[in-house]
Amino acid sequence: GQNIDQPTEMTATEGAIVQINCTYQTSGFNGLFWYQQHAGEAPTFLSYNVLDGLEEKGRFSSFLSRSKGYSYLLLKELQMKDSASYLCAVSRYSSASKIIFGSGTRLSIRP
Amino acid sequence: EAGVTQFPSHSVIEKGQTVTLRCDPISGHDNLYWYRRVMGKEIKFLLHFVKESKQDESGMPNNRFLAERTGGTYSTLKVQPAELEDSGVYFCASSQGAPGIAFFGQGTRLTVV
Repeated sequence: GQNIDQPTEMTATEGAIVQINCTYQTSGFNGLFWYQQHAGEAPTFLSYNVLDGLEEKGRFSSFLSRSKGYSYLLLKELQMKDSASYLCAVSRYSSASKIIFGSGTRLSIRP
Repeated sequence: EAGVTQFPSHSVIEKGQTVTLRCDPISGHDNLYWYRRVMGKEIKFLLHFVKESKQDESGMPNNRFLAERTGGTYSTLKVQPAELEDSGVYFCASSQGAPGIAFFGQGTRLTVV
């Protein structure tokens, strides 16, 4: 089977940095995705990691360690609009079309 | 460019009734996915179309759910007859490449009473 774990809720301060962790257990791991979802809106693609290492995209970075089954999403220079749920998701070689989502981390930014 | 659009945005129906959800993907996207988020749970995959063909429908919960994509453009997801546990938000997504790099619609919030 597969299992994705991420914290349910986090709080951070505007202008600061926050790291959202995700651990996964799945056979035939292919790649890992991060999505952002504001309340009542569609999930929005943020990043995709296939190989180990850090992918940087503006204020957001995503890290993957395949051997440890671990990823994190790093958000810098936090803004109030970053308050949202952040979804970790994985794909498998055996069924590449099926993306398996974690329950999401609800991030609240305080002034 | 228009994104993925879903209709209706909300639907409230009685148990036993039929509901049809529609998804219009981004023009030119061959891949179309349906997902569902039941209250308090994670988003779960339902099925994947490549053009008009069902590539993977392993996530469909049971035979009360029927998805179609005639002509390889828009897709419909019909629930007949609806049960209380079918309540949730149904998302559609489309992509041209890797399945996770997909654009999601706003979702249809289905409430079965």
